[in-house]
Amino acid sequence: DAKTTQPNSMESNEEEPVHLPCNHSTISGTDYIHWYRQLPSQGPEYVIHGLTSNVNNRMASLAIAEDRKSSTLILHRATLRDAAVYYCILRDWGDNQGGKLIFGQGTELSVKP
Amino acid sequence: SAVISQKPSRDICQRGTSLTIQCQVDSQVTMMFWYRQQPGQSLTLIATANQGSEATYESGFVIDKFPISRPNLTFSTLTVSNMSPEDSSIYLCSVEAVRGYGYTFGSGTRLTVV
Repeated sequence: DAKTTQPNSMESNEEEPVHLPCNHSTISGTDYIHWYRQLPSQGPEYVIHGLTSNVNNRMASLAIAEDRKSSTLILHRATLRDAAVYYCILRDWGDNQGGKLIFGQGTELSVKP
Repeated sequence: SAVISQKPSRDICQRGTSLTIQCQVDSQVTMMFWYRQQPGQSLTLIATANQGSEATYESGFVIDKFPISRPNLTFSTLTVSNMSPEDSSIYLCSVEAVRGYGYTFGSGTRLTVV
C-alpha cells in the first residue's frame, strides 16, 4: 500500500490560514489523495479529495504538487471547531486495494483563540 | 452522502462475553468496512464486508474473533467474541456511497471490557 507521512501535530491561531502537509512519494498513477478529519469523540468525516489538479470546496482547499509526491490541505480561516486529527490517505481508484481506506497516524491540529 | 446508524453507541461488557454491533445505511452499498480505534490511536481496518460473500479480514484479525454478517446491501453486523480488556476500543463502520468519492463513517461504538 502506498504510504503517507504527516507531522504528528500542528498549532494554529484562530482566524488564520492553516497549511497541513502530506508526503506520499510512492503514490501511483491510480491513487486519489483523500483527506479526512476526526473531531473529538466522533467518527472521521470526509474533507476533500483530488487526483492531479488543485481542488476547492466549502470546507477546504487541496493543493497537489506537480509530481504528486506531496499535497497540502489548506483551511483558509481556522476556527476552534477545526481542532481535530487530519488524515491524508491514498485511495486506489483502480480498486487494487479493494476500495479500502488505510489510515496513518494523522496530524493533530490545535487551534488557539 | 450516505447516512449510517450504528448501534449501540457504547457498552460495558464482562470479559468472556460477546457483543454484536449493528450498522445500518440509508442507501444500498456494495462494500462496508469495519474499523477499530484503540485509545489514543488511529483507525485500523478489521475487515471488508461484501453482500453475499464472506468478509475479507486484514492481517491480525480472524473470523472466529470478529465474525461479520452482511445479509443485504444496507446492513452489517460485527461481533466481538470472547472479549478481553484488550478489546476495549471504539468500533466504527464505514461505506463508500459513491465510488471514488468520500467515505462516510458511523459515529462508533465505544466498548469497554471489564
